[in-house]
Amino acid sequence: ETGVTQSPTHLIKTRGQQVTLRCSSQSGHNTVSWYQQALGQGPQFIFQYYREEENGRGNFPPRFSGLQFPNYSSELNVNALELDDSALYLCASRGPGQGAYNEQFFGPGTRLTVL
Amino acid sequence: KNEVEQSPQNLTAQEGEFITINCSYSVGISALHWLQQHPGGGIVSLFMLSSGKKKHGRLIATINIQEKHSSLHITASHPRDSAVYICAVGNFNKFYFGSGTKLNVKP
Repeated sequence: ETGVTQSPTHLIKTRGQQVTLRCSSQSGHNTVSWYQQALGQGPQFIFQYYREEENGRGNFPPRFSGLQFPNYSSELNVNALELDDSALYLCASRGPGQGAYNEQFFGPGTRLTVL
Repeated sequence: KNEVEQSPQNLTAQEGEFITINCSYSVGISALHWLQQHPGGGIVSLFMLSSGKKKHGRLIATINIQEKHSSLHITASHPRDSAVYICAVGNFNKFYFGSGTKLNVKP
């Protein structure tokens, strides 16, 4: 039990739709990162938020966006869904501080299927 | 070229064997993480290293910063160790992941 929860656990959408995935971090964890994991591959870093500001981003287009809230919850929004967006989406929190020295605690993930 | 390379990709061992998984990286890092992922997706952080060596039970992780290389060792492997082991490296605001090593320990 990592103390990080995600919702929903599974989601099916169609191409062109928009989706919002949610993550609730451990209290006191100021940094949350989001990852995309396609089947059979390692996770890919989407972006990172620290104190409600995006402060790091991987190679993902702007239709992937996020929000972080003061209550340690966060969202990943994906617009104009494509078939290749089908994946497991993981959030991970760490803190305090924003460096990479702190251990990450992963949520169980949301499995998104785009038809 | 991937920033993080793991080997082997797949590993089958008999219960009790000593197992080594390797990770090489090409970027500057603040810390290296070893993660365990079971079927269904849940990821657990095993180790976070910035230098030297760490040990938790039967698991040992080492890192050589100069050579940009880390190893994860499992002593006296057990079928419950069967999982995907992922190496991830982080700097200030980015993380890079290896593609994982799928370990199957047979009784």
